Amino acid sequence: DSGVTQTPKHLITATGQRVTLRCSPRSGDLSVYWYQQSLDQGLQFLIHYYNGEERAKGNILERFSAQQFPDLHSELNLSSLELGDSALYFCASSVGPGQDPFEAFFGQGTRLTVV
Amino acid sequence: AQSVTQPDIHITVSEGASLELRCNYSYGATPYLFWYVQSPGQGLQLLLKYFSGDTLVQGIKGFEAEFKRSQSSFNLRKPSVHWSDAAEYFCAVGDYYGQNFVFGPGTRLSVLP
Repeated sequence: DSGVTQTPKHLITATGQRVTLRCSPRSGDLSVYWYQQSLDQGLQFLIHYYNGEERAKGNILERFSAQQFPDLHSELNLSSLELGDSALYFCASSVGPGQDPFEAFFGQGTRLTVV
Repeated sequence: AQSVTQPDIHITVSEGASLELRCNYSYGATPYLFWYVQSPGQGLQLLLKYFSGDTLVQGIKGFEAEFKRSQSSFNLRKPSVHWSDAAEYFCAVGDYYGQNFVFGPGTRLSVLP
């Protein structure tokens, strides 16, 4: 158990809908990362938050957004869903810059199926 | 821009045989290198990491990796593979601050009995 919790584990929704994926980082970790894993794209970095602030953006679509709350949990919002958004979405956490050498701990992922 | 390549998409070895998975990186600063393993339907588990010092690092499950700066490589090795090692292996590179944490495309390992 990595200590990173993602909910829900599975999500099935229709095209055009909006969903929210939740991530609770390990206790004490200030950084949260979101990744999308699909068969054709591999593991794609989406976005990184540190202590509530956005730190880096990767290949995140405009239809997707994220935030990190004061209690450090994070949510990834996916809207106007398309079939191609079906993927495994991972959250990872780490202690954050300057405190310890970086090491990311991953959750079990949320499998999103868009039908 | 930083990048990671894993030249082998799929490798098959017999149980008990040795294993080497290749990883090459391109990174402008001092790289922090990682190997993760993902079993089917599971999250990613850290096998080992390299930050500095001894270029041969030991990890969990009997894995080791060697950092070779001159070759920009960080290959993963195991002297004797077990059937339970069948999984997807990802090499990743980042920096001290966790910025620009990039994964390679992964290598799928199959183990023959």
